[in-house]
Amino acid sequence: AQSVTQLDSQVPVFEEAPVELRCNYSSSVSVYLFWYVQYPNQGLQLLLKYLSGSTLVKGINGFEAEFNKSQTSFHLRKPSVHISDTAEYFCAVNRVYNQGGKLIFGQGTELSVKP
Amino acid sequence: NAGVTQTPKFQVLKTGQSMTLQCAQDMNHEYMSWYRQDPGMGLRLIHYSVGAGITDQGEVPNGYNVSRSTTEDFPLRLLSAAPSQTSVYFCASRGSGGDYEQYFGPGTRLTVT
Repeated sequence: AQSVTQLDSQVPVFEEAPVELRCNYSSSVSVYLFWYVQYPNQGLQLLLKYLSGSTLVKGINGFEAEFNKSQTSFHLRKPSVHISDTAEYFCAVNRVYNQGGKLIFGQGTELSVKP
Repeated sequence: NAGVTQTPKFQVLKTGQSMTLQCAQDMNHEYMSWYRQDPGMGLRLIHYSVGAGITDQGEVPNGYNVSRSTTEDFPLRLLSAAPSQTSVYFCASRGSGGDYEQYFGPGTRLTVT
């Protein structure tokens, strides 16, 4: 079975500061990794994903994440945040070759960007 | 493309009532899923489907029923609503290709009193 742990439930940060949202996973098999963003009262939107290849993945809105297999982590980073980045962020895994799109989500991290 | 659509956006039910949450996608995706979102618990998979006529249980299936008679539609039925089913419900779909991206609907906020 797979599980995902997001280490911070809330992250307050000032505008233009860097931010890191942490995600660790456990799995006995290889997984694909995802970060989704949920703006208030909306559905989820894919930020970025790691399927294979380079362990540094760039996504939309200036976000990037690094897959670290030895530490089973997939932390999300942005060098300079904006007020508009205020949202909830979810890390998720999908077992490699799994059919049906069965995503396992972390608990979510609320990013609050203050002026 | 409308993407993934869900109706209704909001619903209030009394305990014991039944209802169907509708989900449709116009992307010809094979895979569809239902998740529920509760504070501090992320999203949990209720049921999923790998194609028309094929469904299976996810992590939290009790109290819910699904069917998939067409590729486009994947309704979720609450058989006898309970307060524990108060949640936000999301439908998602994914193609069978290799990008593994799931597309989510806008959600249905359900309150059971």
